[in-house]
Amino acid sequence: GAVVSQHPSRVICKSGTSVKIECRSLDFQATTMFWYRQFPKQSLMLMATSNEGSKATYEQGVEKDKFLINHASLTLSTLTVTSAHPEDSSFYICSARRDTGELFFGEGSRLTVL
Amino acid sequence: AQTVTQSQPEMSVQEAETVTLSCTYDTSESDYYLFWYKQPPSRQMILVIRQEAYKQQNATENRFSVNFQKAAKSFSLKISDSQLGDAAMYFCAYRSYNTNAGKSTFGDGTTLTVKP
Repeated sequence: GAVVSQHPSRVICKSGTSVKIECRSLDFQATTMFWYRQFPKQSLMLMATSNEGSKATYEQGVEKDKFLINHASLTLSTLTVTSAHPEDSSFYICSARRDTGELFFGEGSRLTVL
Repeated sequence: AQTVTQSQPEMSVQEAETVTLSCTYDTSESDYYLFWYKQPPSRQMILVIRQEAYKQQNATENRFSVNFQKAAKSFSLKISDSQLGDAAMYFCAYRSYNTNAGKSTFGDGTTLTVKP
């Protein structure tokens, strides 16, 4: 099956710093990728839709200046959490949509802000 | 807007037995996709099974099958001959056929425990 990889899988940072998470589709091109946030034992909350070559579409309530998304190529989308605070600590997951319409998920990235 | 409801936060099953996870959804659309995803402790979501709404036949993937009742807007997942590796959180998801973005709506999940 298709492979989507996220990096880093775990990151710890100090409050006020910025953290970048990468999402790569390794064996297919993805014009659309999605970023989710997941709290323990809860469902995925869609944060934004990342479109290659254009601005991301953010869900209501998600601060676009806080969570910067860049989809610079057909195989890479990045999520940058700017000026991170402890309340941003969470599990962030990306998915990439293949041309068949199926979604393939990354392994997730655990962010801990001290 | 579409909603997906999983009414069973937790389920357990004995190894080799059968378990059914329930999912209901609400939509005014006639064309859409339904999915079951598995999220094991390793946390990477894996597609278990997929159903197109226009297909009357229930999807089947080895030990996994669905009972798709379009009129009732119900989409349950049956796991036969449960194995220890089936232990995970299972999410039911809905995706509109017509949306270009392919956004999916997820249920709150059901944590499945498999007892040896």
